[in-house]
Amino acid sequence: QVHLQESGPGLVRPSQTLSLTCTVSGGSINRGSYYWSWIRQPAGKGLEWIGHMYPSGSTNYNPSLKSRATISGDTSKNQFSLNLSSVTAADTAVYYCAREHEVFFKLDFWGHGILVSVSS
Amino acid sequence: DIQMTQSPSSLSASIGDRVTITCQASQDISTYLNWYQHKPGTAPKVLIYDASNLETGVPSRFSGSGSGTDFTFTISSLQPEDIATYYCQQFYNLITFGQGTRLDLK
Repeated sequence: QVHLQESGPGLVRPSQTLSLTCTVSGGSINRGSYYWSWIRQPAGKGLEWIGHMYPSGSTNYNPSLKSRATISGDTSKNQFSLNLSSVTAADTAVYYCAREHEVFFKLDFWGHGILVSVSS
Repeated sequence: DIQMTQSPSSLSASIGDRVTITCQASQDISTYLNWYQHKPGTAPKVLIYDASNLETGVPSRFSGSGSGTDFTFTISSLQPEDIATYYCQQFYNLITFGQGTRLDLK
């Protein structure tokens, strides 16, 4: 059974960079067949896909984030990370990491989510 | 960008009711669509993948159909544990979610 756990600061100042880490157990992020993804949900709103990375290092991002997002992996720790730059209050959300199947792009294992608030 | 429009945005139903949610894509996405259930305080759960395939372990009262731009998600007989918000997700070009359908008890 794959388990994912988000970690990082719960409060980020406006204009700073939001940095989160997802620790994966029960499966290697270096194994093919899966992407490793970040998704967020602002309070009272729906799910928004942020982006994903593949073991090869290739990445894709939601164009609406205007190049503010960067996803990278650390295979030695079996972790992957999200950096979101120049944050504003609109980036306040619950952030989830998830495993994404490469064939049907179904997000089949998720972390519990971490609330990140952007406020001065 | 591909936009996904779900309807209705909210729905009230009784136990045992048949519940139907629709999802419309802004362009042809073949069957590249998944459905999720999301309960407050928990992680979303995939129920249907590739428009009509039931995820392992998901009860058979859940089903999906459609292709192209129009898709349907159905609960054949609503159970109390089905109260949640449901999302469609396209994967034809990157990933986009619908805005969600909140299902509660009448």
